[in-house]
Amino acid sequence: QKEVEQDPGPLSVPEGAIVSLNCTYSNSAFQYFMWYRQYSRKGPELLMYTYSSGNKEDGRFTAQVDKSSKYISLFIRDSQPSDSATYLCAPQGPLSFGAGTTVTVRA
Amino acid sequence: DSGVTQTPKHLITATGQRVTLRCSPRSGDLSVYWYQQSLDQGLQFLIQYYNGEERAKGNILERFSAQQFPDLHSELNLSSLELGDSALYFCASSPGGTGHGYTFGSGTRLTVV
Repeated sequence: QKEVEQDPGPLSVPEGAIVSLNCTYSNSAFQYFMWYRQYSRKGPELLMYTYSSGNKEDGRFTAQVDKSSKYISLFIRDSQPSDSATYLCAPQGPLSFGAGTTVTVRA
Repeated sequence: DSGVTQTPKHLITATGQRVTLRCSPRSGDLSVYWYQQSLDQGLQFLIQYYNGEERAKGNILERFSAQQFPDLHSELNLSSLELGDSALYFCASSPGGTGHGYTFGSGTRLTVV
């Protein structure tokens, strides 16, 4: 079993839709959960950072962590074409990047 | 600008050759991480250094090696290059310890011909 499994996508949504991205992980010791955004072949940038279970909201982005089920989610509300990118989940640790989900928001 | 500097941005070389990729971490960051990202592949962790010492190793080939210098910059050496080594190589840095996000550089695009 991989340490991190991410929905492979790709996802294509119309502008204004809610985008839902999901990952599962296997290591119950993880406490810090991150989401990175990577525009085409650029360096990933930290988007959201959450500690332990619960929700964190930042503008149009909401990160959810459910440690009991080892499930993390990222929601993008009112999606914009500029949100078109690959999103990588990253539970704590340098080994633990998900494979990424590519999202396209159609204008 | 993320504060993590990678050079060169692009590199084209022939099979069998050796190249060195350089990374300067963000000011104050002690940890440096190297990743390989092949076309349509996720980030593959290669190796981590913390304050000059190797801290963790991932799927790094024996033909690859890295080091971190006293000024904290790091170099990734790739030797006996093969066509399959063509990829984006990213460096990331963090302050060290747990609970920190990693700041990525813009990458070096290596093409082996």
